[in-house]
Amino acid sequence: NAGVTQTPKFQVLKTGQSMTLQCAQDMNHEYMSWYRQDPGMGLRLIHYSVGAGITDQGEVPNGYNVSRSTTEDFPLRLLSAAPSQTSVYFCASSYSRESYEQYFGPGTRLTVT
Amino acid sequence: GNSVTQMEGPVTLSEEAFLTINCTYTATGYPSLFWYVQYPGEGLQLLLKATKADDKGSNKGFEATYRKETTSFHLEKGSVQVSDSAVYFCALFVTSGSRLTFGEGTQLTVNP
Repeated sequence: NAGVTQTPKFQVLKTGQSMTLQCAQDMNHEYMSWYRQDPGMGLRLIHYSVGAGITDQGEVPNGYNVSRSTTEDFPLRLLSAAPSQTSVYFCASSYSRESYEQYFGPGTRLTVT
Repeated sequence: GNSVTQMEGPVTLSEEAFLTINCTYTATGYPSLFWYVQYPGEGLQLLLKATKADDKGSNKGFEATYRKETTSFHLEKGSVQVSDSAVYFCALFVTSGSRLTFGEGTQLTVNP
């Protein structure tokens, strides 16, 4: 049982480049979400999904896109990377949107130069 | 809106010292409260939870009591170990909002 997996673990991008952060879970969870973690700011919700084909914005969605074509996968796309997007990104999942216990992946550390 | 405020870190203690990390919250509705822990290089893990006033959550020697009158959920441990070194996040969840709101995190370092 792998839980929540994320790839890559580390990434360096130049300003303006695009990339996709991958997230997958094998627990058949309906709810998946993306957070970014910045010093002194805790975790902030970027986007979330309550099931395949359904996504919505969180607190800080600008500059990011998501899609949910399957229950298992929830990729996060950076369309044109900016230095302000340098952060650690965490994917999380839970049984349903009403379920407070979320399971987190190990994170992706992204640097944009 | 909902918000969580944690005591500023970092916190450095010697092994076997007593730990308190303060957490206060504001919420619309009736929240559930949590402490998550993040060990170096890992994602967050749920440490303990409390879903109603006066509940005490406990796990691995850590405790926190849901105090509605003071809107607080302070984390305590009687005797910390080096292996407790991590970042601790206080969080709340309101069903109507269906999302976790996190505090800023508190870095704890325990020296032998």
